[in-house]
Amino acid sequence: DGGITQSPKYLFRKEGQNVTLSCEQNLNHDAMYWYRQDPGQGLRLIYYSQIVNDFQKGDIAEGYSVSREKKESFPLTVTSAQKNPTAFYLCASIPDAKNTEAFFGQGTRLTVV
Amino acid sequence: KQEVTQIPAALSVPEGENLVLNCSFTDSAIYNLQWFRQDPGKGLTSLLLIQSSQREQTSGRLNASLDKSSGRSTLYIAASQPGDSATYLCAVRLYNFNKFYFGSGTKLNVKP
Repeated sequence: DGGITQSPKYLFRKEGQNVTLSCEQNLNHDAMYWYRQDPGQGLRLIYYSQIVNDFQKGDIAEGYSVSREKKESFPLTVTSAQKNPTAFYLCASIPDAKNTEAFFGQGTRLTVV
Repeated sequence: KQEVTQIPAALSVPEGENLVLNCSFTDSAIYNLQWFRQDPGKGLTSLLLIQSSQREQTSGRLNASLDKSSGRSTLYIAASQPGDSATYLCAVRLYNFNKFYFGSGTKLNVKP
């Protein structure tokens, strides 16, 4: 079945550690996105990529890094520079065509311990 | 920057009621607007996509309208059921940038 797979579902990070969240899609979509969701708030854009080997910062990119070496994969690294990383992280993708819907993964909940 | 607002933030209704959720946005230069449903601890499920040239879209008991000039969209849910309980989010896709902006959602509780 086609879709977006995020892993792991739950992730715990110690202070000062970098952690990487995985996002894989088999929908052949060109654009991929990472969003952060905090309780009671909407989704905020961290990074997005419209094509392989290219990505742009979103509204809250500080403390995060990404790569897009393959069309189907868009991993997000939460670095130690991100001071408040505890949140729910969602990955999304869309085809290249403009008036098409976005698809989301099931999310990764990251907790700092 | 695009600002997206959803009112009300929470809504509790008895089963069977028809209800309206509201979404407003500040920049009318959008490609489309999408309504999503989110269950607790889960990802987003797409409900309806309205293109900028359309006025409304329907799927089953759901109807979404779009008034781009006034920066507003509504999601109408007919004959609500307890299974409709979830958070509903709207998102606008900007015309000049390949980005989506989300509202903070409306948390709906439908009581049996």
